[in-house]
Amino acid sequence: EDQVTQSPEALRLQEGESSSLNCSYTVSGLRGLFWYRQDPGKGPEFLFTLYSAGEEKEKERLKATLTKKESFLHITAPKPEDSATYLCAVQAVTQGGSEKLVFGKGTKLTVNP
Amino acid sequence: DTGVSQDPRHKITKRGQNVTFRCDPISEHNRLYWYRQTLGQGPEFLTYFQNEAQLEKSRLLSDRFSAERPKGSFSTLEIQRTEQGDSAMYLCASYQTGSFGSEQFFGPGTRLTVL
Repeated sequence: EDQVTQSPEALRLQEGESSSLNCSYTVSGLRGLFWYRQDPGKGPEFLFTLYSAGEEKEKERLKATLTKKESFLHITAPKPEDSATYLCAVQAVTQGGSEKLVFGKGTKLTVNP
Repeated sequence: DTGVSQDPRHKITKRGQNVTFRCDPISEHNRLYWYRQTLGQGPEFLTYFQNEAQLEKSRLLSDRFSAERPKGSFSTLEIQRTEQGDSAMYLCASYQTGSFGSEQFFGPGTRLTVL
């Protein structure tokens, strides 16, 4: 069964304190790994797609990397506005042969000023 | 703003009542997905449409749930005889097959509270 596990569940950082979030996955035939940001009461906001091991993508203070078993979201010198829940998802094949996203539970990041 | 809209944003109802939610996807996107998210969990797949055809339903979707996408445009999700366990955020996402990148764009969600 396709599964995504994120750690830690919650992370508190001081402004400027860099860290990494982990996403480990098991999926039959990875078609893509996605990172989303979700603010309270809102829908997930797309950040990155990674397709193959060794791939890296960057956006401002965020950098996503992918291996065959896990992905990391590195946050460099975070600011309070980076506080949010970060969701990892894999694109898996449904029983009907199409794609769906399988999400982890997310990591709630709080950055204190 | 992703271009995907949902209405209403919040719905409070009493147990046993019927509710209907609407999703307007990005106009050129042919796929539309519904997900449900409860507190502290990631979104879970419910069903999806390719144009107007509903191609798959999760086992999470009981017989009380029905979804439509007439003419391949907006979609509605109806829950009949609501139960307290239906309380959740209902998210809609749209996606264009064959486009560069395969990300799904999510709407703001409809928060349902069943009393």
